[in-house]
Amino acid sequence: DAGVIQSPRHEVTEMGQEVTLRCKPISGHNSLFWYRQTMMRGLELLIYFNNNVPIDDSGMPEDRFSAKMPNASFSTLKIQPSEPRDSAVYFCASSLGGGNTGELFFGEGSRLTVL
Amino acid sequence: GEDVEQSLFLSVREGDSSVINCTYTDSSSTYLYWYKQEPGAGLQLLTYIFSNMDMKQDQRLTVLLNKKDKHLSLRIADTQTGDSAIYFCAVSGNTGKLIFGQGTTLQVKP
Repeated sequence: DAGVIQSPRHEVTEMGQEVTLRCKPISGHNSLFWYRQTMMRGLELLIYFNNNVPIDDSGMPEDRFSAKMPNASFSTLKIQPSEPRDSAVYFCASSLGGGNTGELFFGEGSRLTVL
Repeated sequence: GEDVEQSLFLSVREGDSSVINCTYTDSSSTYLYWYKQEPGAGLQLLTYIFSNMDMKQDQRLTVLLNKKDKHLSLRIADTQTGDSAIYFCAVSGNTGKLIFGQGTTLQVKP
């Protein structure tokens, strides 16, 4: 079975450029989560969707970050313009049932470096 | 808001037991989880415990829950080098979101 698929796995870009990270959740899962992991701040929840609708985006750091889920099988996290402090590993995860009682399945992450 | 705290690092010798500890602030969690992250990979659910239990054993893993003290621990018996990873405690807070601790890096020395 295919797990959560993220792309790109690695991205190096220059400050000011637009970055788009992509995620394909596990088929049949109705919740999707975007997390950011850094050494300093650990694992932070940025936003989560339930049935393609954003439920809580309180973790999105600022207006430069946006996330969409146009359908049940695809989500994007966009950073525009990117800054060096956005360098992190970004994880997408999906679950069946909202994530608070069920298991979260994580992708392998997208490692972003902003120079 | 919900806070989940873990020690950052634990080093043990192969064959010894490892105990990773976690404390949390919100007691409304129905389930409490341990996730494992191997290098270069995402997190994977290792085990979980229902909040009305105080212990759960699964092969080499033992989870202990002290609800009064809001303390969760993960014991790994006969720790192997393949157990080297980052271990995350997670609880579902009163908002329903899953809140992760900072992660404990377990180093297993041969």
